[in-house]
Amino acid sequence: AQSVTQLDSQVPVFEEAPVELRCNYSSSVSVYLFWYVQYPNQGLQLLLKYLSGSTLVKGINGFEAEFNKSQTSFHLRKPSVHISDTAEYFCAVSEIEAGANNLFFGTGTRLTVIP
Amino acid sequence: DAGVTQSPTHLIKTRGQQVTLRCSPISGHKSVSWYQQVLGQGPQFIFQYYEKEERGRGNFPDRFSARQFPNYSSELNVNALLLGDSALYLCASSPYGGVPYEQYFGPGTRLTVT
Repeated sequence: AQSVTQLDSQVPVFEEAPVELRCNYSSSVSVYLFWYVQYPNQGLQLLLKYLSGSTLVKGINGFEAEFNKSQTSFHLRKPSVHISDTAEYFCAVSEIEAGANNLFFGTGTRLTVIP
Repeated sequence: DAGVTQSPTHLIKTRGQQVTLRCSPISGHKSVSWYQQVLGQGPQFIFQYYEKEERGRGNFPDRFSARQFPNYSSELNVNALLLGDSALYLCASSPYGGVPYEQYFGPGTRLTVT
């Protein structure tokens, strides 16, 4: 069975400082990995995804993530955050298998950017 | 182009009642998935439909059912509502049934069961 652990439920960071949101997963098979962002009272928006190839993935809004297979991690990073980055961030996995079509989400990390 | 739309936006129901939530996917998308997001948690997969057939089902009781129509819109039905069904219900669409295709989420329907 697959599982996703987001190690920090809340991350406060000052504006223009770097940030890392941590995500570890568990699965007996290969997986696809995703990061989604949810702004207040809105649905989820895809930030980036890892399917195969280069382990460093760049996404929208200056975010990037690195897939580490040996550590089963997919941490999200941004070198300099803005006030507008304040939101809930979700890591998600999906197992690569025939018919695999559902995302399994972590419990989320609330990023608060402090002016 | 319009994104994924869901109706209604908010809904208040009483325990034991039944509810129907609606979702219209992005034009051209043939796959619709439903997720339940309880306050403070990540979304949990309920169903996926592709080309009007159920392609996946999460760990939810039979009180939850769904269907997809020829125009690819979808309905989620929940019978015999419980207080624990209070949540944000998210619909996501994608061009095809496979995961590598990005899922586009709607704004959700917030269901409150009293």
